[in-house]
Amino acid sequence: SQQGEEDPQALSIQEGENATMNCSYKTSINNLQWYRQNSGRGLVHLILIRSNEREKHSGRLRVTLDTSKKSSSLLITASRAADTASYFCATDATFNYQLIWGAGTKLIIKP
Amino acid sequence: GAVVSQHPSWVICKSGTSVKIECRSLDFQATTMFWYRQFPKQSLMLMATSNEGSKATYEQGVEKDKFLINHASLTLSTLTVTSAHPEDSSFYICSARDQIVGRTSGSNTGELFFGEGSRLTVL
Repeated sequence: SQQGEEDPQALSIQEGENATMNCSYKTSINNLQWYRQNSGRGLVHLILIRSNEREKHSGRLRVTLDTSKKSSSLLITASRAADTASYFCATDATFNYQLIWGAGTKLIIKP
Repeated sequence: GAVVSQHPSWVICKSGTSVKIECRSLDFQATTMFWYRQFPKQSLMLMATSNEGSKATYEQGVEKDKFLINHASLTLSTLTVTSAHPEDSSFYICSARDQIVGRTSGSNTGELFFGEGSRLTVL
């Protein structure tokens, strides 16, 4: 099931530029996670932000969370061609191990 | 991080045959595994939650008799697509969480570890 909406659906930028993707959700959450999926592959966990956190960094990734607006953003700085992938947000609303997935943003980095 | 192995990576079969996909947690135990289906350019659709030693919990609209799930051990779950038809062609992905609190990241954060997916093509 999906509760998240991500925008944009697709994003194409030049290598070196920053990429920003947004995710909105509907219910209260315990945490929100971002995953990356290369074409035809499984998903890789990128970063998790808890509901009591507002911002988190991991390398070139910066995630923000606004629980009042029920939204999150993922910023990838200094993009590289290898960042080309689809990015999904997933919310953890309960502790039953199920995540609720957004529709994903397809990111293309042009060399 | 924890590793989940999924096999086969791709399979082509004739209509009417059954196909089994395996999902293994290689270095951790997983009481619960998840099976997803993904259509081209779309998000993950949760099919069922696989529970070790008990029946799987299927999402609404997913046929239990069509997609048989067996979770016989803490490291292995299998999905069998029975009497496959062309409309069953899809990308199937499994995932699991490390059950041991604090082992992989210092707390039970809820991170999922995914297999590489299995692409099924039914002719």
